[in-house]
Amino acid sequence: AQSVTQPDIHITVSEGASLELRCNYSYGATPYLFWYVQSPGQGLQLLLKYFSGDTLVQGIKGFEAEFKRSQSSFNLRKPSVHWSDAAEYFCAVAITSGTYKYIFGTGTRLKVLA
Amino acid sequence: ETGVTQSPTHLIKTRGQQVTLRCSSQSGHNTVSWYQQALGQGPQFIFQYYREEENGRGNFPPRFSGLQFPNYSSELNVNALELDDSALYLCASSSEGSHSGYTFGSGTRLTIV
Repeated sequence: AQSVTQPDIHITVSEGASLELRCNYSYGATPYLFWYVQSPGQGLQLLLKYFSGDTLVQGIKGFEAEFKRSQSSFNLRKPSVHWSDAAEYFCAVAITSGTYKYIFGTGTRLKVLA
Repeated sequence: ETGVTQSPTHLIKTRGQQVTLRCSSQSGHNTVSWYQQALGQGPQFIFQYYREEENGRGNFPPRFSGLQFPNYSSELNVNALELDDSALYLCASSSEGSHSGYTFGSGTRLTIV
């Protein structure tokens, strides 16, 4: 079955520290992968996406993610976190057979300590 | 280009009532999808509309229905509201055949009391 797992429900880091949010997916075909960020009460903003090619993708706000097919992972990273990065982060895989839709993970809530 | 706009932003209804949520898709996008995001959860796919017809549905009962209009805007209707319908409802638009991803609206927060 198709699924996305984000093993960390909450993560707390200090401002200026590095960040890695984990994402594992289960999908039989070539995955199209996404990371979104959601501030409280808001919709979803696209951080970055992977379709093919270079497995290290750059996104907005200084985020990057690395696709590792052998590990079925698409982890999100940032070298130095800013207080404004506090939000909830969602990983998603696009289902491209039949109706195009996303399967989302349950999200990781990031708290940033000053 | 304009993004995806949803209305209203917040809504309170009582059990058993009916509700209609609205979405205007991003310019140039012809496909609209609706997602339900319960508190503390990731969004769940409800259904998708293309060319004014539903062309895919998630695991939601028939009391969840929708419409798409010729200008690609869309409505989500929910009948016989239940307490568990309380959630953030997200509309997302895209171009059919494109895998560049969705553009999401800011959502409608629906509270059932």
